[in-house]
Amino acid sequence: GDSVTQMEGPVTLSEEAFLTINCTYTATGYPSLFWYVQYPGEGLQLLLKATKADDKGSNKGFEATYRKETTSFHLEKGSVQVSDSAVYFCALSDHTGNQFYFGTGTSLTVIP
Amino acid sequence: NAGVTQTPKFQVLKTGQSMTLQCAQDMNHEYMSWYRQDPGMGLRLIHYSVGAGITDQGEVPNGYNVSRSTTEDFPLRLLSAAPSQTSVYFCASISSGNTIYFGEGSWLTVV
Repeated sequence: GDSVTQMEGPVTLSEEAFLTINCTYTATGYPSLFWYVQYPGEGLQLLLKATKADDKGSNKGFEATYRKETTSFHLEKGSVQVSDSAVYFCALSDHTGNQFYFGTGTSLTVIP
Repeated sequence: NAGVTQTPKFQVLKTGQSMTLQCAQDMNHEYMSWYRQDPGMGLRLIHYSVGAGITDQGEVPNGYNVSRSTTEDFPLRLLSAAPSQTSVYFCASISSGNTIYFGEGSWLTVV
């Protein structure tokens, strides 16, 4: 079945460091891929998405590229801030668009 | 611009008690779902609905019931609470544009 695997956390970085959170997926057909962010005590919010191969999603300085050849959707940010501290979830929706599969989440802490 | 609204935000139950988590969305989305979030396990789908009058089981349905009498509302019922149901619960709906929207979560503790 469809699934998402993302790198284990927690991740701790200094402010202005480069961030990469790895995400790979298994899916039949052509899924859409997403990154969601969850701040403490809140629900998940859409960070970015990509709907087809080679698409790049971007938002708030974060980027991820849909790589079909490596079945990956790694999240990157060039210079993290303390306010980026949160849990990040990689997700895919299957070809129906109605079934979502989430990774286990990666906790990021950015220290000043 | 409410989006997905779920209540209550926090609840403590005794083992064996029943309760209902309420969920409402004002975006006219057909698809709604309930997830639970547990440490190290990410989000697991409990039940979902593809439209009013239609519900189906997700990955972890045992101990929960749902109904969908209207497009807007999708309540989740715990029939007889158990400590294993201590979790954070999220209601969600999916747009026609294939984006999932979450409520703010309900923190449930069963003692």
